[in-house]
Amino acid sequence: GAVVSQHPSWVICKSGTSVKIECRSLDFQATTMFWYRQFPKQSLMLMATSNEGSKATYEQGVEKDKFLINHASLTLSTLTVTSAHPEDSSFYICSARTQRVLNTEAFFGQGTRLTVV
Amino acid sequence: GNSVTQMEGPVTLSEEAFLTINCTYTATGYPSLFWYVQYPGEGLQLLLKATKADDKGSNKGFEATYRKETTSFHLEKGSVQVSDSAVYFCALRPPSNQGGKLIFGQGTELSVKP
Repeated sequence: GAVVSQHPSWVICKSGTSVKIECRSLDFQATTMFWYRQFPKQSLMLMATSNEGSKATYEQGVEKDKFLINHASLTLSTLTVTSAHPEDSSFYICSARTQRVLNTEAFFGQGTRLTVV
Repeated sequence: GNSVTQMEGPVTLSEEAFLTINCTYTATGYPSLFWYVQYPGEGLQLLLKATKADDKGSNKGFEATYRKETTSFHLEKGSVQVSDSAVYFCALRPPSNQGGKLIFGQGTELSVKP
């Protein structure tokens, strides 16, 4: 299947700083990327959907000014957690798919473990 | 609205036992249905999928059949291995597509003992 690479796989940052997570589709053009957050032993919560060249669409309850999403190219989307706090510590997962072919599934990155201290 | 409900875990089985993880959904129309697997510390991998009623998805010995009449997509495997230990997520993609976003169940942890 297609490959989606997320970087970094884990990061520790100080409270109040910002951290950027990258999501790349390595062998296909991702017209749409999704960012999820996963709490321990829980399901994935969709945070936002981004289409290349457009502003991201955020799910209800997700602060767009805190979780900045950029999808500047067909192979790269970034999630920046601004002014991080310990409660932002979580596992963040991106997924990507192309809408140029009907009924394709989304492919997931390996996730980023964020710890805010 | 759209939702997915899975049986609660953890599920603990002995090697070569039969596995069933129940999944039911609520959706308008005919969503696409998926099973994903997550190994510790990793992202999700697509295990199998079905896009219309009565379709059977299968992969690596796992199977699931799209049952419209019972709104279910139960995951089964005839003989589990220790390497199958992971968290399994049932998911649906609404028929309206909504950009392709997925709605996940809460996940079911499977632990297979030798």
